[in-house]
Amino acid sequence: QVQLLESGPGLVKPSGTLSLTCSVSGGSISGYDWSWIRQSPGKGLTWIGSVLHNGTTNYNPSLKNRVTISTDRSSNQISLDLTSVTPADTAMYFCARGGGGFGYWGQGTQVSVSS
Amino acid sequence: EIVLTQSPGTLSLSPGERVTLSCRASQSVSSKYLAWYQQRHGQAPRLLIYATSTRATGIPDRFRGSGSGTDFTLTISRLEPEDFAVYYCQQYAASPRTFGQGTKVEIK
Repeated sequence: QVQLLESGPGLVKPSGTLSLTCSVSGGSISGYDWSWIRQSPGKGLTWIGSVLHNGTTNYNPSLKNRVTISTDRSSNQISLDLTSVTPADTAMYFCARGGGGFGYWGQGTQVSVSS
Repeated sequence: EIVLTQSPGTLSLSPGERVTLSCRASQSVSSKYLAWYQQRHGQAPRLLIYATSTRATGIPDRFRGSGSGTDFTLTISRLEPEDFAVYYCQQYAASPRTFGQGTKVEIK
């Protein structure tokens, strides 16, 4: 059974960079699309972006040029970097398998942006 | 961006009742690219239905998805205690992928 586990700092300072990792067990990340999705009380579920099986990335325009999603096949991980964060980026962050429909989800990791 | 509007916002029902949830898109969505998720309190969303009407692995047949164009529906034939949760529709026909705001099904 595929399992996803997000990790990273729970607190990030404004203007800093939010960096999260999604560790995948029970299967290889190769050959699949992977996505990051966040959930905040005020805005519901928001798709952040995806990295496709061929390495192509696709990001939500609302995050402009602040987001980077990448994979590390050697460690079977997917990473998220979000720069220039503000309190509006406070949310639960989920990684998920899929670039469209999301069949497997991690448990999520809460990130707060505050000084 | 395709906006998905779910209705109603909240439903108060009893176990055993039938429930119908609505998801309306701001523009036509191919039925291949509409999904439904269930999110129980404190948990991650779980894929229930993809391609409008295909149940994901392990999803019981009391969950049924239907619809086309701009109007989609999730029906739960008989509510079980574990079905009280928030339900989201999502489209993946276009980028950015978007979710509806959710419908909460609560115990009456």
